[in-house]
Amino acid sequence: DSGVTQTPKHLITATGQRVTLRCSPRSGDLSVYWYQQSLDQGLQFLIQYYNGEERAKGNILERFSAQQFPDLHSELNLSSLELGDSALYFCASSVGNRLNTEAFFGQGTRLTVV
Amino acid sequence: GQQVMQIPQYQHVQEGEDFTTYCNSSTTLSNIQWYKQRPGGHPVFLIQLVKSGEVKKQKRLTFQFGEAKKNSSLHITATQTTDVGTYFCAGAPNNNDMRFGAGTRLTVKP
Repeated sequence: DSGVTQTPKHLITATGQRVTLRCSPRSGDLSVYWYQQSLDQGLQFLIQYYNGEERAKGNILERFSAQQFPDLHSELNLSSLELGDSALYFCASSVGNRLNTEAFFGQGTRLTVV
Repeated sequence: GQQVMQIPQYQHVQEGEDFTTYCNSSTTLSNIQWYKQRPGGHPVFLIQLVKSGEVKKQKRLTFQFGEAKKNSSLHITATQTTDVGTYFCAGAPNNNDMRFGAGTRLTVKP
């Protein structure tokens, strides 16, 4: 158990809909990262938040947004969903604010868009 | 843009054989990390290499970072069935970016 909690574990929704994925980092970690893992694209870094503020941005679509709350949990919002958004979405956390440090991954949320 | 290429994509070995996966970057990396993902699981951090030419060992696993800090390898000696999974490298060209390789999926035949 990495200490990072993600909910829900599975999500099935229709195209055009909007979903919210939730992540609670390890106790004491200030950084939260979101990754997308699909069969054809591998593991893609989406965005990082550190202590409530956006720290780094990767290949995140404009239809996607994230935020980190004062209690440090984070949410990833995916809107106008397309079939191609079906993937595993991982959240990871770390103590520091640098992206290139050891990160602890949650179990992931499997999103299926039908 | 900066890419991290990882080969091979798949590797099937007999238990007891050695295994190596390689990562190459088009640009110099500030560091490189290695992760293992078991089937149906999540990536688990294995190690981070920072220095040019660095070599680190974890039991049967040996990690190397190239002199030019553009390539890295993970070598497993005498594979076991517990080594099954996908091994990812993740290269950081700077503190604000991280690029994962496509991963090498290792299967081990008992």
